[in-house]
Amino acid sequence: AQSVTQLDSQVPVFEEAPVELRCNYSSSVSVYLFWYVQYPNQGLQLLLKYLSGSTLVKGINGFEAEFNKSQTSFHLRKPSVHISDTAEYFCAVSDQPRGAQKLVFGQGTRLTINP
Amino acid sequence: EAQVTQNPRYLITVTGKKLTVTCSQNMNHEYMSWYRQDPGLGLRQIYYSMNVEVTDKGDVPEGYKVSRKEKRNFPLILESPSPNQTSLYFCASWIRAAPYEQYFGPGTRLTVT
Repeated sequence: AQSVTQLDSQVPVFEEAPVELRCNYSSSVSVYLFWYVQYPNQGLQLLLKYLSGSTLVKGINGFEAEFNKSQTSFHLRKPSVHISDTAEYFCAVSDQPRGAQKLVFGQGTRLTINP
Repeated sequence: EAQVTQNPRYLITVTGKKLTVTCSQNMNHEYMSWYRQDPGLGLRQIYYSMNVEVTDKGDVPEGYKVSRKEKRNFPLILESPSPNQTSLYFCASWIRAAPYEQYFGPGTRLTVT
């Protein structure tokens, strides 16, 4: 069974600073990887996804993530954050053979941007 | 507009009073699912459905029921709610094709007193 660990429950950063949100997963099979964002009082919106190919994935709002198979990680980065990036971010995996049934989510990382 | 809708968005109820949260999608997706979100635990799957009249348990099904009589609708039923079911609930839908990207509703915040 897969599992996902987001290593930081809260990340405070200053506006225009870079940020990295860390995600590690475990799985015995190949996986698809996702980052979702949840803005206050809203549902989850897809930021980006890794399916195969290039390990650097670009998403919406200037975010990108790098898939590292040897370290089983999928860290999310943004070079310069804005106040509007304040949200909770979830890393999720689905396994390729049985992925239809569900996503497995990490615990979430709350990103707070300070002016 | 392609979307997943949930109703109600907010609900306060008392222990033991049956309730239903509705979910509807207009994307003709085969799969639908219910998740609950609790602080520090992320999202956990309650039930999912692969198509009309086909449902299966997720990771935390106790105390919940679902049905899928039409492809677009997937209601979540709490027949005797308890305070430990106070949570934020999300409905999601997706197609039966890799990478199984899920589309989420806006959420329903349920409080059981």
